[in-house]
Amino acid sequence: QKEVEQNSGPLSVPEGAIASLNCTYSDRGSQSFFWYRQYSGKSPELIMFIYSNGDKEDGRFTAQLNKASQYVSLLIRDSQPSDSATYLCALDGSYQLTFGKGTKLSVIP
Amino acid sequence: SQTIHQWPATLVQPVGSPLSLECTVEGTSNPNLYWYRQAAGRGLQLLFYSVGIGQISSEVPQNLSASRPQDRQFILSSKKLLLSDSGFYLCAWRPGTGGNEQFFGPGTRLTVL
Repeated sequence: QKEVEQNSGPLSVPEGAIASLNCTYSDRGSQSFFWYRQYSGKSPELIMFIYSNGDKEDGRFTAQLNKASQYVSLLIRDSQPSDSATYLCALDGSYQLTFGKGTKLSVIP
Repeated sequence: SQTIHQWPATLVQPVGSPLSLECTVEGTSNPNLYWYRQAAGRGLQLLFYSVGIGQISSEVPQNLSASRPQDRQFILSSKKLLLSDSGFYLCAWRPGTGGNEQFFGPGTRLTVL
């Protein structure tokens, strides 16, 4: 059974700081990793995916993957209050994704 | 571009009543379709997924069922709701071929009283 672990938080960072969200997983065979953002009361929104070891940047977001250590991270630079949400990590299976329970991020103005 | 619809947005139902939630996807063909439930303060629980018309895989035994009568339509049903069925129900789609990303609909918030 694949497992995805995330610290539930809340993670509080001041506005303008870098927020670092981490996720570990159990299945060494996992190939694809996804980060979703979920605002309170809303559905999850895909913000990043990464398949290869290393970093992938998209605007203020950077996803980092280390398959040897089985962790994936999401960095949010210049954090804004609008980034306050729960961030879900997911990894791909044959037809489905396995989700972590999410980390709640609070960006303090 | 692709769009996913769910309705109703909110629903309040008494225990023992039936349920029917509908999800439709536009702008794509042969998608994989998914039903998730997210209970208050908990993670996403995959309930059902479908890789084609009439093909349903169940992940969790429960009093819910799913059907896919058309390529881009996915329905979640129950004959008799339980209190524990309350939650946020999310439909998602993924391309049948190509990308592995899943995209979620707006969700239905179900309260069983």
